[in-house]
Amino acid sequence: KNEVEQSPQNLTAQEGEFITINCSYSVGISALHWLQQHPGGGIVSLFMLSSGKKKHGRLIATINIQEKHSSLHITASHPRDSAVYICAVTNYGGATNKLIFGTGTLLAVQP
Amino acid sequence: KAGVTQTPRYLIKTRGQQVTLSCSPISGHRSVSWYQQTPGQGLQFLFEYFSETQRNKGNFPGRFSGRQFSNSRSEMNVSTLELGDSALYLCASSLEILDNSPLHFGNGTRLTVT
Repeated sequence: KNEVEQSPQNLTAQEGEFITINCSYSVGISALHWLQQHPGGGIVSLFMLSSGKKKHGRLIATINIQEKHSSLHITASHPRDSAVYICAVTNYGGATNKLIFGTGTLLAVQP
Repeated sequence: KAGVTQTPRYLIKTRGQQVTLSCSPISGHRSVSWYQQTPGQGLQFLFEYFSETQRNKGNFPGRFSGRQFSNSRSEMNVSTLELGDSALYLCASSLEILDNSPLHFGNGTRLTVT
């Protein structure tokens, strides 16, 4: 079992829909990151969370430390949101595998 | 402020050769971390350098090594290249150590081993 699990793996939405991507982890963490990767490789950091909730524009990220679960929400989705969304955790106290990545969620938003 | 710069963008090498990749962090950032991305394994952590010292290392063989200079620029070296080393290599910089700071990624170096 992977230490960081994301769901769903693939997601197709219509423009304007509310989108949720989930991330569960099994290790102790210092922080959780949500990353966005567009075709061509560039990765952008969307959020870094260690507790609670953060909001940036149409994006909202939440984390429940007790349940070891985080969600990324996109409100009023737009085709430009189409990308791979990756959850990653900073492994608390880990000397190896300091940053552990989920396998990503491929989001396609259709106009 | 300039972003994270990785050079070269593309590289083709032959099996058995060695390669050195470079990463220049955002000015003022002291941590540089390196990652390998392949279609099969996804993103994997290679190592983190902070103030010229390797703080953490992922589960990669000793052929993968790195260093960080006093200006925080970092290099990654892969010796005795294997076909399986073909990947996108990404570096990221952060203000402080990985536990405490958001990551800023470079655009990556795409390495092809033939």
